[in-house]
Amino acid sequence: DAGVTQSPTHLIKTRGQQVTLRCSPKSGHDTVSWYQQALGQGPQFIFQYYEEEERQRGNFPDRFSGHQFPNYSSELNVNALLLGDSALYLCASSLVAEGLAGANVLTFGAGSRLTVL
Amino acid sequence: GQNIDQPTEMTATEGAIVQINCTYQTSGFNGLFWYQQHAGEAPTFLSYNVLDGLEEKGRFSSFLSRSKGYSYLLLKELQMKDSASYLCAVRASGYSTLTFGKGTMLLVSP
Repeated sequence: DAGVTQSPTHLIKTRGQQVTLRCSPKSGHDTVSWYQQALGQGPQFIFQYYEEEERQRGNFPDRFSGHQFPNYSSELNVNALLLGDSALYLCASSLVAEGLAGANVLTFGAGSRLTVL
Repeated sequence: GQNIDQPTEMTATEGAIVQINCTYQTSGFNGLFWYQQHAGEAPTFLSYNVLDGLEEKGRFSSFLSRSKGYSYLLLKELQMKDSASYLCAVRASGYSTLTFGKGTMLLVSP
């Protein structure tokens, strides 16, 4: 049973460029959340997608956008990259029904490490 | 708003017991989670508390007091492989995602 897979694992961009990160959720999960984790910090919530719609959003600018596809996979897009966008981007999947019934454990992927020069 | 506090770093000796504290102030509460994250790896789920009291799972236990906005993770019989960052996270409602603290880096020495 494959867990959450993310691609690419590492990438380097320059300021002003755009980047797309991809995520395939764990089999059976229907919800995808994206987090940004700076070095030495905890993950910061970017947004969550369910039924192909953005359901919740954290305190991130509009340069951060996303999409969820009918097969539940998701993309994170960041435009006009800044040096401060350098971080580990984590994708986590879950099942919304589990959240309503009790524990809604997020399963994380290994992340995409973005370096902006 | 959400505010979650935990110590930045802790050190302990192999075989010992360590307690990592977490305090939170959130608008709504629907569960507290602990995750473990080794350097360069994905966070992995350790425990979940939604009611007051202690949840035990092998060498790891987690405690919750909702009235005090307080939780701790207790690690017994420490092993070198327990050296990692431990993340406390709160869920505000059944539909919401998790808000994480900054993490506590635990270093276990021989």
